[in-house]
Amino acid sequence: NAGVTQTPKFQVLKTGQSMTLQCAQDMNHEYMSWYRQDPGMGLRLIHYSVGAGITDQGEVPNGYNVSRSTTEDFPLRLLSAAPSQTSVYFCASRRTGTHEQYFGPGTRLTVT
Amino acid sequence: AQSVAQPEDQVNVAEGNPLTVKCTYSVSGNPYLFWYVQYPNRGLQFLLKYITGDNLVKGSYGFEAEFNKSQTSFHLKKPSALVSDSALYFCAVRDPRYGQNFVFGPGTRLSVLP
Repeated sequence: NAGVTQTPKFQVLKTGQSMTLQCAQDMNHEYMSWYRQDPGMGLRLIHYSVGAGITDQGEVPNGYNVSRSTTEDFPLRLLSAAPSQTSVYFCASRRTGTHEQYFGPGTRLTVT
Repeated sequence: AQSVAQPEDQVNVAEGNPLTVKCTYSVSGNPYLFWYVQYPNRGLQFLLKYITGDNLVKGSYGFEAEFNKSQTSFHLKKPSALVSDSALYFCAVRDPRYGQNFVFGPGTRLSVLP
């Protein structure tokens, strides 16, 4: 199994541009989540999904959209990038009824 | 709301010495507590969890954690530190507000000196 994969690894955007961060998992996990990591703040939950077709907001959802059309994929969309969205983004997944989350390697995003 | 605190930004310890990385929590209801480790330029890796049962929890790579309900703490420990243990450590608690996802602490950077 590849586990949780994320693309791209690095991205630089200009303010106002849009882009999609890709996340995929091959473990047939129902739960998928997006976090952002900022220095001194740990990881904060952006959006999550408990299964295909179901998404919900986390702690810091503003400026981000998600969709979950398949079990495997959970893309994160930035509609109009802002410098405040400069961060490292992690996707995670877990199986229903278990506690351990599996994290992807992260995407480092810089917005200028 | 569920929250965790990690009072130390940085912990330095000599190789071979015991290490402790501190975590305190604030939850309503029973706590589901976790420790994750992040090596440079990598995603987070699961170390151990406390759900119920014994207060001393053993995890990966020789780490263990002690759950203390009266002190609302869940400190991470290892009897003998290795240089390769140098990393960023996160304490986390499950939060029912967000589909049982995690609320993470700010992280503690552990440096093990040779």
